[in-house]
Amino acid sequence: TQLLEQSPQFLSIQEGENLTVYCNSSSVFSSLQWYRQEPGEGPVLLVTVVTGGEVKKLKRLTFQFGDARKDSSLHITAAQPGDTGLYLCAGGRNNDMRFGAGTRLTVKP
Amino acid sequence: KAGVTQTPRYLIKTRGQQVTLSCSPISGHRSVSWYQQTPGQGLQFLFEYFSETQRNKGNFPGRFSGRQFSNSRSEMNVSTLELGDSALYLCASRTAGAGSSYNEQFFGPGTRLTVL
Repeated sequence: TQLLEQSPQFLSIQEGENLTVYCNSSSVFSSLQWYRQEPGEGPVLLVTVVTGGEVKKLKRLTFQFGDARKDSSLHITAAQPGDTGLYLCAGGRNNDMRFGAGTRLTVKP
Repeated sequence: KAGVTQTPRYLIKTRGQQVTLSCSPISGHRSVSWYQQTPGQGLQFLFEYFSETQRNKGNFPGRFSGRQFSNSRSEMNVSTLELGDSALYLCASRTAGAGSSYNEQFFGPGTRLTVL
């Protein structure tokens, strides 16, 4: 059983559509990170959220940390083919980090 | 600042052999973690080294080992390779001092290991 559950596992949409992916846990985290990974490469850090209820925006991407610091969401507006990749969330507690299994997003032109 | 570097990028070995992978963290980062990534299992934590000491360990057999040098560079070794060890091996570094709460990790490009 994954400590962090990500949903959906796979998502295929058309360019221009909006989407939201989720990262849920029963554990409280001191911080949560979102990464995007392209095939054959390492994950690239997108954002870190640390405060319950925090919302961060990165161009068309909006990240939210749940009030209880147990869950997070990533919303993409007007998705583009360049957004295609594996989106991973990672939760940190003390000096320990755990990753979700990821959401594989495909944006078709 | 240079990112995390891993060598080699690609490696082909046969069953029973051993392999050593290398990771150079971002300058100033003292923690190095290793992960195995496969399509079926996702990103699995192997171990973390901090100041030359193994601080955390995942659920992998003893064939997987690692070490960290005084300059924070790290190596991982896999002995008696099995077909199932074929994977992308990722290294990540962070500052992660005592009481660190941000835990941001920065990944290298990975080493793609193929075991034949």
